[in-house]
Amino acid sequence: AQSVAQPEDQVNVAEGNPLTVKCTYSVSGNPYLFWYVQYPNRGLQFLLKYITGDNLVKGSYGFEAEFNKSQTSFHLKKPSALVSDSALYFCAVRDMYNAGNMLTFGGGTRLMVKP
Amino acid sequence: NAGVTQTPKFQVLKTGQSMTLQCAQDMNHNSMYWYRQDPGMGLRLIYYSASEGTTDKGEVPNGYNVSRLNKREFSLRLESAAPSQTSVYFCASSEYAGQTYEQYFGPGTRLTVT
Repeated sequence: AQSVAQPEDQVNVAEGNPLTVKCTYSVSGNPYLFWYVQYPNRGLQFLLKYITGDNLVKGSYGFEAEFNKSQTSFHLKKPSALVSDSALYFCAVRDMYNAGNMLTFGGGTRLMVKP
Repeated sequence: NAGVTQTPKFQVLKTGQSMTLQCAQDMNHNSMYWYRQDPGMGLRLIYYSASEGTTDKGEVPNGYNVSRLNKREFSLRLESAAPSQTSVYFCASSEYAGQTYEQYFGPGTRLTVT
């Protein structure tokens, strides 16, 4: 079984400050991890993924995420937040044994960046 | 290159009515997916199609049927709509089911069942 948790419903940060959106996961084997962003009335857009290799993954729009196997976490980070980063962020996981590429999504975290 | 398209964008149904949500992708992807999005619950997989000619149940398949019409198109049908099916529905596609390719999402269909 695979599951993912996003413990914060909302994260507030001031523009220019660093941001972190938290994600923890549970899988049977090795995890494949993804972050997506959803802007209002839009579909989800892919930001980045971790498959294997370097624990720090860089993605679109200056976002990065750090894979931590011991803490089963994959937190999304950005050094300097922009107002335009305000959106809904979803973490997703797939177990390496899941042949159907079925992703399990977290409940989402709303990021609010204030000027 | 339109990516993943969905029709309609909005729909209001009465309890017991039926409808089909359409999805098409022009990226030559093999795998396609239907999700529903409810507040605080993220996205939940309804059905998926690993390749043309195959479909499988996801986490919440009850009350839905799907058809993989061809490689491009994957439709979702509600035979007898219920208020619990009020949700936003997203279609997605990816290159191969067995590989770690990211999924690409359509803009969604907002369905209200009264």
